Amino acid sequence: DIVMTQTPLYLSVTPGQPASISCKSSRSLLHSDGKTYLYWYLQKPGQSPQLLIYEVSSRFSGVPDRFSGSGSGTDFTLKISRVEAEDVGVYYCQQGIQVITFGQGTRLEIK
Amino acid sequence: QVQLVESGGGVVQPGRSLRLSCAASGFSFSSYGFHWVRQAPGKGLEWVALIWYDGSNKYYAESVKGRFTISRDNSKNTLYLQMNSLRAEDTAVYYCARDPGTVAFFYDYWGQGALVTVSS
Repeated sequence: DIVMTQTPLYLSVTPGQPASISCKSSRSLLHSDGKTYLYWYLQKPGQSPQLLIYEVSSRFSGVPDRFSGSGSGTDFTLKISRVEAEDVGVYYCQQGIQVITFGQGTRLEIK
Repeated sequence: QVQLVESGGGVVQPGRSLRLSCAASGFSFSSYGFHWVRQAPGKGLEWVALIWYDGSNKYYAESVKGRFTISRDNSKNTLYLQMNSLRAEDTAVYYCARDPGTVAFFYDYWGQGALVTVSS
């Protein structure tokens, strides 16, 4: 199985400041069709996970543009340009190219 | 709007069985693959099982293979997870999740989750 490794596992951010989460996969997520199948989810406290980013950098419907994704191959990053109070929760990356695996999760809290 | 509502969770003794259901509404259920994903208390997300849009293919995590069965009834817009020979380590919130992918697997909508507690 592809192993997904997130860093850091914990982030404490002042509102209005940026935040960045790294996700590395144990093998390339580039498919033969030319697309890279890496996804980001946010699980807010007491809620189900919600899709933020699909195929590395495309924002899902309704996701604010302060969220952005980047990367290629095995190295990926989720950035929040200006953290807001509603962004607290656990962020997960997920690969969809083989048997589904998730990163361990990164907990974001507000200072 | 898309709605996924799980039911059937509860407390069960080790070795016993339980069946989860996921009722879908607001979209064409038979057009999508579906997954079960679980989350043990205080832990991360773990994929459990996948079923294709027409039920023709099913896949399982090694941890549940031979004990769990995923199925669907497209006439009832409902997804199921039959869980047999339950173990303490199966204790988790179980989410059903819709998969819109055609090449890769991912989830655009999730249910609210059903808590399964395996304890004597």
